[in-house]
Amino acid sequence: QQQVKQSPQSLIVQKGGISIINCAYENTAFDYFPWYQQFPGKGPALLIAIRPDVSEKKEGRFTISFNKSAKQFSLHIMDSQPGDSATYFCAASSGSGYSTLTFGKGTMLLVSP
Amino acid sequence: DAGVIQSPRHEVTEMGQEVTLRCKPISGHNSLFWYRQTMMRGLELLIYFNNNVPIDDSGMPEDRFSAKMPNASFSTLKIQPSEPRDSAVYFCASSLGGSFGDTQYFGPGTRLTVL
Repeated sequence: QQQVKQSPQSLIVQKGGISIINCAYENTAFDYFPWYQQFPGKGPALLIAIRPDVSEKKEGRFTISFNKSAKQFSLHIMDSQPGDSATYFCAASSGSGYSTLTFGKGTMLLVSP
Repeated sequence: DAGVIQSPRHEVTEMGQEVTLRCKPISGHNSLFWYRQTMMRGLELLIYFNNNVPIDDSGMPEDRFSAKMPNASFSTLKIQPSEPRDSAVYFCASSLGGSFGDTQYFGPGTRLTVL
């Protein structure tokens, strides 16, 4: 099974700081990379996504950086807030045929007040 | 729209019993996914339906697990007989077409505990 490796497993950041979560993939056919956010007791929800024709995508305080040659992508949360405390999952899929997502194992982020 | 609806939200059962989890996808969505989430293994895709037809069931752990989608607005995931190692949160998700780049919308999950 194709893997997406995510790190760190958990992260504590002070309010106002930058949270950085990294993912690496193996399958060069992957060409869609979403990040999902999950709050306790809820299902994951799409946060932001990128395709490999760009190296960076920014939406508000959330930025995805993508390095195709290294097969790595990361999520940066600027000015982290306590409300950002959640579990974050990176994922990847390929555009061939029916497309399913391969998820990383998740990062539990705690933003301290 | 009410989003993806799952029932029950919590299920506690004893080993050997049959468990049925239910899912109503978002109206108009043609693809439905069942996932299992555990601390050890993260989010695992169990099965994927497109237009009510199972497309990929390679993630179904074993014959004890079965899934059906009799129509576009209802799916079930059945475990028979259940075992303690099946304890997990089971999510149902749906998307418009299941094609490249489609956003998957997750339900709130069913927390299953098998004693």
